[in-house]
Amino acid sequence: QQQVKQSPQSLIVQKGGISIINCAYENTAFDYFPWYQQFPGKGPALLIAIRPDVSEKKEGRFTISFNKSAKQFSLHIMDSQPGDSATYFCAALRTGTASKLTFGTGTRLQVTL
Amino acid sequence: NAGVTQTPKFQVLKTGQSMTLQCAQDMNHEYMSWYRQDPGMGLRLIHYSVGAGITDQGEVPNGYNVSRSTTEDFPLRLLSAAPSQTSVYFCASRSHSYGYTFGSGTRLTVV
Repeated sequence: QQQVKQSPQSLIVQKGGISIINCAYENTAFDYFPWYQQFPGKGPALLIAIRPDVSEKKEGRFTISFNKSAKQFSLHIMDSQPGDSATYFCAALRTGTASKLTFGTGTRLQVTL
Repeated sequence: NAGVTQTPKFQVLKTGQSMTLQCAQDMNHEYMSWYRQDPGMGLRLIHYSVGAGITDQGEVPNGYNVSRSTTEDFPLRLLSAAPSQTSVYFCASRSHSYGYTFGSGTRLTVV
């Protein structure tokens, strides 16, 4: 059972365009939603994260939009650059000592010139 | 400051062999975990630990064993390797603010 569903599986965007990746979750106990960026041969690295008490969080060209009633959240990459080409994972967890990070299945983003 | 260090980076095993994947962190994080990454399936939690001497199972624990004798180290043991365990394995530690730091991974092939 996939607790965090992510789409699309792959995405091709032209340089300067907007990349949008969507995720949906089922467990309403989740209260922390991070996005991870992974380059080939490397481990995932935290990109940006949001808690459900806000609807949007922006850090540079990266924005998370959060819709608590729909149990959905998305990552927007503005002015996408070739260096953004990577695999992106959404994730969710319920905070607490024994919290477990649950990942989506990943989106492979390619930004073309 | 090395963060999370995993060894080895690559390993080929024969079916039935055992081995230990090493993970060490120097950030004094209490929480550590092991994930496996397979195409189209994201990262799935194998085992985790909330502190020295305390471990628990994740989503896919079968065929794996862990122990946590120190805060710094969290080794993952494959008891009898199977081709289904061919994967990329990531160790991660977590800060109190829920920021996870991942190692660079171990690519394991079981033939």
